[in-house]
Amino acid sequence: DTEVTQTPKHLVMGMTNKKSLKCEQHMGHRAMYWYKQKAKKPPELMFVYSYEKLSINESVPSRFSPECPNSSLLNLHLHALQPEDSALYLCASSQETGVGGTIYFGEGSWLTVV
Amino acid sequence: GQQLNQSPQSMFIQEGEDVSMNCTSSSIFNTWLWYKQEPGEGPVLLIALYKAGELTSNGRLTAQFGITRKDSFLNISASIPSDVGIYFCAGQVYGGSQGNLIFGKGTKLSVKP
Repeated sequence: DTEVTQTPKHLVMGMTNKKSLKCEQHMGHRAMYWYKQKAKKPPELMFVYSYEKLSINESVPSRFSPECPNSSLLNLHLHALQPEDSALYLCASSQETGVGGTIYFGEGSWLTVV
Repeated sequence: GQQLNQSPQSMFIQEGEDVSMNCTSSSIFNTWLWYKQEPGEGPVLLIALYKAGELTSNGRLTAQFGITRKDSFLNISASIPSDVGIYFCAGQVYGGSQGNLIFGKGTKLSVKP
């Protein structure tokens, strides 16, 4: 089973709202990722968690706040977003980081900021 | 920085035709991955390549990891309408940005029944 589950599938939020995206995997993977994807573009890395610790933050604005409550869960907390933040947010996981563990993606959460 | 050049950018083919797309880079990668993404969905892993020169098949799909570790191709034989989507190559370097994927810009495949 190579499944990464993301909720919600679609989210519409105002610029003053606080919302969260959730991601779950039960493959025993120790690395989890958040990517952002705009239309017709490849995914862009936002954050990497390795063994539940944040190991990479690709200069993402503080209005995006990741959280890894345990090895199976990854959240992305959203606050005071801008319309240009509207995109597909992808969660991914792999066995390890840095040693070429194959990265598996979830189906994504479509975010629209109004 | 590391970049992947993926071509072609788009393809319009007739059902039943074979398809070929490739990625090249000036950098060496330890792993090459090929993903397919359909509208509204996340990327789905098609084939993972780990060894230089490796040739791997997955049904009608065949991919090879170049001997120099700087390129890879993906072939689809006897295309069908459900092959429609965007195909991304991605390279990965061990020990580098902690396994971050470097993506190509994608090849958009359209299949005419």
